[in-house]
Amino acid sequence: DQQVKQNSPSLSVQEGRISILNCDYTNSMFDYFLWYKKYPAEGPTFLISISSIKDKNEDGRFTVFLNKSAKHLSLHIVPSQPGDSAVYFCAASAPNSNSGYALNFGKGTSLLVTP
Amino acid sequence: KAGVTQTPRYLIKTRGQQVTLSCSPISGHRSVSWYQQTPGQGLQFLFEYFSETQRNKGNFPGRFSGRQFSNSRSEMNVSTLELGDSALYLCASSPFGGGTYGYTFGSGTRLTVV
Repeated sequence: DQQVKQNSPSLSVQEGRISILNCDYTNSMFDYFLWYKKYPAEGPTFLISISSIKDKNEDGRFTVFLNKSAKHLSLHIVPSQPGDSAVYFCAASAPNSNSGYALNFGKGTSLLVTP
Repeated sequence: KAGVTQTPRYLIKTRGQQVTLSCSPISGHRSVSWYQQTPGQGLQFLFEYFSETQRNKGNFPGRFSGRQFSNSRSEMNVSTLELGDSALYLCASSPFGGGTYGYTFGSGTRLTVV
């Protein structure tokens, strides 16, 4: 079963405007949430993460918001640039009984930033 | 510093054969994870190794196995290949695992089973 969901397969935004990518999850045991950016034929590139004890984390143009009660997080990109065009994956992790970890990924949102 | 290195980049195998993929993590990273990416299922977790021990395993059949060496390099093996095993296989490394430091991914090995 899909524990992390990105319900928008694609998003188109004009250059300079805000891009908002959304993600929902079902497992309340997730302790970290991460966003990755991916280009075709490359591995995902880590963008930003947030601990479950926080509700906001900023890094330059990227801000992630976490709403635990709604089991929802979002990534804001301000201002959006054409180079931001890529597939964005939301991921969540939780430790198991062996202190092992696994990233549970959403299916991704393809962002297109137009000039 | 060098990133995560995966070899080979591309591989074509025949059904029924077996394959071994290799991953060299970032120096100092002790956690190595493997993921399979397919158009239908997206990115799915295979297993995680830390200090040569498998700490976590995803929901894949026993044909998928892995190991980690004392220098943290890792290999994954798929035996009795099926057409559905065609995918991009990604390796990711982290200092200790978990979300604190994030994971750095390699560029992947594209496996095609014919």
